Amino acid sequence: DQQVKQNSPSLSVQEGRISILNCDYTNSMFDYFLWYKKYPAEGPTFLISISSIKDKNEDGRFTVFLNKSAKHLSLHIVPSQPGDSAVYFCAASDTGANSKLTFGKGITLSVRP
Amino acid sequence: EAGVVQSPRYKIIEKKQPVAFWCNPISGHNTLYWYRQNLGQGPELLIRYENEEAVDDSQLPKDRFSAERLKGVDSTLKIQPAELGDSAVYLCASSPPRQGRDTQYFGPGTRLTVL
Repeated sequence: DQQVKQNSPSLSVQEGRISILNCDYTNSMFDYFLWYKKYPAEGPTFLISISSIKDKNEDGRFTVFLNKSAKHLSLHIVPSQPGDSAVYFCAASDTGANSKLTFGKGITLSVRP
Repeated sequence: EAGVVQSPRYKIIEKKQPVAFWCNPISGHNTLYWYRQNLGQGPELLIRYENEEAVDDSQLPKDRFSAERLKGVDSTLKIQPAELGDSAVYLCASSPPRQGRDTQYFGPGTRLTVL
């Protein structure tokens, strides 16, 4: 059973527009959420994170929103650039001992010039 | 600062053969992780080390997989014997002590193909 779900496998947006990548989770014990970005033939790289005590975290063009009641988070990229084209993974963890990251399947973002 | 180093980058073997992957984490990172990423899926944790100690190996298929981290630095992950279903990308990650929660730095991975 997928505890972290990225239901849309792909997204295509025009350069300069906003990209919105969605993620849902089912485990109510998750309290820390991360987004990773992955280019082909490379490992995932950390992008941005958010703790459950917040509902928004912003870093430059990237903003993550968390809606705990809906168990939903989203990553906004504004403005989108062609270099943002990659696979984006949502991940979550809880505060339990030996806590681990649980990843979603990823969303492939394509930014058209 | 050098990133997480993994070798080999690619490996093709026949089923029932053994295979080993090597990982050198970022200097000073005491936590090391091995993940497996199947095609179209996100990474799944196999084992986590704190220094030399494996603190979470609950997802490691122990009948054929083994791992070690001698001296708390480099690590190797071994599969013996390999099966067709083991074809995947094997990712190593590391994280520093007391810096953010669960911010892990990944290597480029080893793509394993079992024929």
